[in-house]
Amino acid sequence: DADVTQTPRNRITKTGKRIMLECSQTKGHDRMYWYRQDPGLGLRLIYYSFDVKDINKGEISDGYSVSRQAQAKFSLSLESAIPNQTALYFCATSPDRGNEQFFGPGTRLTVL
Amino acid sequence: AQTVTQSQPEMSVQEAETVTLSCTYDTSESDYYLFWYKQPPSRQMILVIRQEAYKQQNATENRFSVNFQKAAKSFSLKISDSQLGDAAMYFCAYRSALEYGNKLVFGAGTILRVKS
Repeated sequence: DADVTQTPRNRITKTGKRIMLECSQTKGHDRMYWYRQDPGLGLRLIYYSFDVKDINKGEISDGYSVSRQAQAKFSLSLESAIPNQTALYFCATSPDRGNEQFFGPGTRLTVL
Repeated sequence: AQTVTQSQPEMSVQEAETVTLSCTYDTSESDYYLFWYKQPPSRQMILVIRQEAYKQQNATENRFSVNFQKAAKSFSLKISDSQLGDAAMYFCAYRSALEYGNKLVFGAGTILRVKS
């Protein structure tokens, strides 16, 4: 089945460490997104991309960077992790002109 | 900027009964889409139902239906014949039809508990 996958599913790291979260999709969608979920805040957009040359900041991009290595791969990096980046992170994809987003299973990140 | 408000942090319903989850949103646009997503304990985000703002008819998907009130900017979700598997966090979300990016704006979520 065409799918959206995220690695790792869970990660514990320490303050100051660099960490990368990876997202891959086999849906053939051009649009990819990274969201962060916090209790009481819902999901908030970090970055989004329409193709390998098109990267856009979302609502809460400070402290994060992204790389679109190919149509199917979109990675999120925390250059120097801090405890308030502890959250559940979701990758999502969407087809051109489509109005639905398809979500990956999420990555639970804990920064100690 | 658009905002989405879910005023009920938690709701409970008896199995087989009906429950309504509330959602209001703020926008100056006339063309947009609204969604309800379900997040069970597995944490997977699952699309439950969507509504196009230009459609007056309320969307339905089996036991799930919405009450879309465009003038009031209200978009509630009704779950009929509630089942134990309906227990989850439910998120209301908005997407502009015009804004670049196809971005979703989410509410804070409502935890639904189903009692047997």
